[in-house]
Order: sequence, then structure tokens, then C-alpha cells
Amino acid sequence: DAGITQSPRHKVTETGTPVTLRCHQTENHRYMYWYRQDPGHGLRLIHYSYGVKDTDKGEVSDGYSVSRSKTEDFLLTLESATSSQTSVYFCAISAVLNYGYTFGSGTRLTVV
Amino acid sequence: DQQVKQNSPSLSVQEGRISILNCDYTNSMFDYFLWYKKYPAEGPTFLISISSIKDKNEDGRFTVFLNKSAKHLSLHIVPSQPGDSAVYFCAAGMNTGFQKLVFGTGTRLLVSP
Repeated sequence: DAGITQSPRHKVTETGTPVTLRCHQTENHRYMYWYRQDPGHGLRLIHYSYGVKDTDKGEVSDGYSVSRSKTEDFLLTLESATSSQTSVYFCAISAVLNYGYTFGSGTRLTVV
Repeated sequence: DQQVKQNSPSLSVQEGRISILNCDYTNSMFDYFLWYKKYPAEGPTFLISISSIKDKNEDGRFTVFLNKSAKHLSLHIVPSQPGDSAVYFCAAGMNTGFQKLVFGTGTRLLVSP
């Protein structure tokens, strides 16, 4: 029944390589968000989107870029992965800004 | 600068007893507050919310209390069940401006039989 899916679920990559995580939704929600979850920090917003081609930075956006060319897809790219980007990444969607989030199941990324 | 704080990383409770999870915030501009529950290997799921114009909201076994003067909210689970064992995140948001939802660091609740 998932209206939001993330891929891949797990990834191990080497330092310095580019990585792209995908978030796909079938709910036609306007707003999409990328968060990272780290021990002691909770969930922190990386980037968000308020429509096709409309994106903005969150509190921990350095080293990340995003793209949204279609309503249903929101891509998160690490241009050159670093060990500090080892984390669990969650995508979320909402019909209303900042409310009623539905989260994906997460992507566990390990940068070695 | 953590705007939303959950000072207890973990909490252990016996089945049938009350679980109380606490959350403090620093920004008096927050308009609403939410609690999310997260099981391992899954994304967080919405549990309950409260608007700043209220001081209490109930949904079954879950009640959220808001004390605006103390900038404090709490989630009460009564009675606690083993299936409630999860990480609980509180979050705060504003209806105006572009301030995004701010999440706390989470509290891991363990309910033992």
C-alpha cells in the first residue's frame, strides 16, 4: 500500500564517488522532502521541493543536490560522497506544506 | 542550536503502565506539534498532533499535552503495550513563513511484558 518508495534500500559506496537516491510517490502530493537520521541528531532536513523544478535548501544541505523533473520523483545526489554522509536517508511527502508527512522506508547509505 | 529537544534518549516501562515521553522547544513561534513513531527499518509514521491553541489532544491510548508557558509537550501512552516499543520523535511547525518541520532527537521506548 506504499504511496512512497525509496531506492535503493541499502547502498555501500566509496569516498569520492557520486551517489543518487530516488524517492518515488504515487500520491500526487506537491511537497517532497529529504531528511537524514543520525544518532543524537534526530531527523534533519536536507532539501525539499514545493513543485516540479522548485526546490530549496534545508538545514544540512552542504554536499547534497536535488532534482525534481516530475511530480512523482525527487532525487537526492551526493556529488562526491564523504564518510560524514553515512546515514539513513528518509524521503517524505505531504499535500500540505509542513503537515501530514508520509515517510518512505529509508535508504541506509554507508560511505567507506 | 536544537530548537526541539527530547532529553531522554530511552525509556523503559512495564506493560500496562503509563509511558510519558517529553519534548521541549525553544521557539515560541511554533503553531503545532506532532508525534511520530518509528519502528526499526521503517520510516516514521504519524501518531498524534496538537495545535498551539489547545492544551490537550486525545486519540485512544495516546494523549498529548502542551504547556506553552513552559514550552513543553508530553505524550502519554496508557496502557502501554509491547507493540508500542519504538522510537518516538516529536516535531514542531509553523503555519506561516517557510520554517520547516523541526524534529527532536527521538526517545526509544521499550515496553516489557
